Amino acid sequence: NTKITQSPRYLILGRANKSLECEQHLGHNAMYWYKQSAEKPPELMFLYNLKQLIRNETVPSRFIPECPDSSKLLLHISAVDPEDSAVYFCASSQDYSNSGNTLYFGEGSRLIVV
Amino acid sequence: GDSVTQTEGQVALSEEDFLTIHCNYSASGYPALFWYVQYPGEGPQFLFRASRDKEKGSSRGFEATYDKGTTSFHLRKASVQESDSAVYYCALGVSNYNVLYFGSGTKLTVEP
Repeated sequence: NTKITQSPRYLILGRANKSLECEQHLGHNAMYWYKQSAEKPPELMFLYNLKQLIRNETVPSRFIPECPDSSKLLLHISAVDPEDSAVYFCASSQDYSNSGNTLYFGEGSRLIVV
Repeated sequence: GDSVTQTEGQVALSEEDFLTIHCNYSASGYPALFWYVQYPGEGPQFLFRASRDKEKGSSRGFEATYDKGTTSFHLRKASVQESDSAVYYCALGVSNYNVLYFGSGTKLTVEP
């Protein structure tokens, strides 16, 4: 799926700070961060629509999202914990207000905490 | 609360077998129901969706029918192929926000 690009694809961190980046080329208004831990389904972290934060699930404060424009989404991570080891997926949909809208996912950024 | 349950954690089949993966949901009103497939190292891919009672969704030979009476959206395929090996997720879209709640997933392995 080259329509939603994520970088970096792999990330190994100690206690350093780092940012994940996502860009979608679908013209969608809503963008999401999902976390997928090993052998688990994806779980919502954040939802943005037209650069505004709409939903913020129970996420540790060391994860800070940023939406500089409607096609880009960032996830700033500081002082990671071993429980943060997971794949972080960016997703997008046409808008956020209709529960029937399809979400399209990127290929994910795999974070390994050492 | 709103949730979706997949009863099979793993399914092992041979090529040309018939596939059923059970999905039941709990939600008020008419939630949208989805099936996604995830291959190793990739993000979940949308298969199809349904939004109202008796609506059938289908794609790539897979199909499921929205059944409000039994609160189910079971995935079926008449003849699986080795290339269908993947994790399949049933998902629920509820409330006023376009948030997907995924089931626990079913790992399908198809032997040649």
